[in-house]
Amino acid sequence: AQSVTQPDIHITVSEGASLELRCNYSYGATPYLFWYVQSPGQGLQLLLKYFSGDTLVQGIKGFEAEFKRSQSSFNLRKPSVHWSDAAEYFCAVAGNNNDMRFGAGTRLTVKP
Amino acid sequence: GAVVSQHPSWVICKSGTSVKIECRSLDFQATTMFWYRQFPKQSLMLMATSNEGSKATYEQGVEKDKFLINHASLTLSTLTVTSAHPEDSSFYICSARIEGISYEQYFGPGTRLTVT
Repeated sequence: AQSVTQPDIHITVSEGASLELRCNYSYGATPYLFWYVQSPGQGLQLLLKYFSGDTLVQGIKGFEAEFKRSQSSFNLRKPSVHWSDAAEYFCAVAGNNNDMRFGAGTRLTVKP
Repeated sequence: GAVVSQHPSWVICKSGTSVKIECRSLDFQATTMFWYRQFPKQSLMLMATSNEGSKATYEQGVEKDKFLINHASLTLSTLTVTSAHPEDSSFYICSARIEGISYEQYFGPGTRLTVT
């Protein structure tokens, strides 16, 4: 079965600084990869997804992610973080049976 | 498009009672829906996969008799927590998959269950 590892439980960045959230996946076939953001007490919002094609994926809110098969990674990046980006970020992978597995999440704090 | 709603958004019930949570796909048909559970400051854990017109498939360790899932139509799945206990208090999130578009799920806003 597929699995996801998000090595960083909590990250703090200053507003305006760049951001990279790490995600490593484990899956024997072509993975379907997702990044979601969750604000406290809220549901999930899809930031971006990778199914195939260009390995650099653009998402909403200025986020992008790069799929690197050789490293089994799908790291999320943003060049300049805004205070409103503070939230919990989840990387997820879907397999052939259509179920989705989530990483443990990375909590982002933005310093003014 | 692809909106999923959940009702109620939060519920408080007494220990020993049952509570039903609804998950609806508002603008598409969903033959498959998923139920997740999320404890505070933790990730989402898949509880079960709900298939329209058939029995749900539960993940290992999830009690089928405690978490009853019914997917009676192409737009509605329900999760009933029976004989609820305080340890069942959690955030329950459902998602739905558009038929024919694999691998992508659309998530509901979640239901906060508190058992007193």
